[in-house]
Amino acid sequence: GAVVSQHPSWVICKSGTSVKIECRSLDFQATTMFWYRQFPKQSLMLMATSNEGSKATYEQGVEKDKFLINHASLTLSTLTVTSAHPEDSSFYICSALGSGQETQYFGPGTRLLVL
Amino acid sequence: AQSVTQPDIHITVSEGASLELRCNYSYGATPYLFWYVQSPGQGLQLLLKYFSGDTLVQGIKGFEAEFKRSQSSFNLRKPSVHWSDAAEYFCAVGPADQGGKLIFGQGTELSVKP
Repeated sequence: GAVVSQHPSWVICKSGTSVKIECRSLDFQATTMFWYRQFPKQSLMLMATSNEGSKATYEQGVEKDKFLINHASLTLSTLTVTSAHPEDSSFYICSALGSGQETQYFGPGTRLLVL
Repeated sequence: AQSVTQPDIHITVSEGASLELRCNYSYGATPYLFWYVQSPGQGLQLLLKYFSGDTLVQGIKGFEAEFKRSQSSFNLRKPSVHWSDAAEYFCAVGPADQGGKLIFGQGTELSVKP
């Protein structure tokens, strides 16, 4: 149980394009989903917290207009990197938390490379 | 401020040797504590967690961790390391009043010598 998937697992795009990453909880309902960014050899940096049906809460320094988060259902959250630039290249990981749970379950991550 | 410190950036142990990865946290009350493992290019897998009760917790893959309140520590241990344990290990703190948000340590990279 507690499986979280991400799609795509990797994506290469041109500078200026937008990229959408999906995060799905496969066998439980995720009332809260988290989006992290991880640079090579570094820890995870929380970007935003999204609760189903409401606007995401962004961490300080994260541009909400650049990283659009939608959590329209209890099993799906999406992160859209708008007008991507090479500095947005990173490993993006989502996690999901069920109602009343204290343990986050992580997706396998999406590697984004912006050329 | 709430924080998590993993003092060892990189540890190398021989296969079959014992392992201890250190984790110290700073928080005003007893937080929820987690250890996650990440293989290269992968997401995080939960090894074990502590919420309350017995301070020695058992996890998957033969790992255990001990919560020591007096030392604000939650060190991860394994009596005999396997080559497949080579990975990045993250300690995380999840304050109970933070809506599930986690604070991660910097991570410890484990290498295993044959």
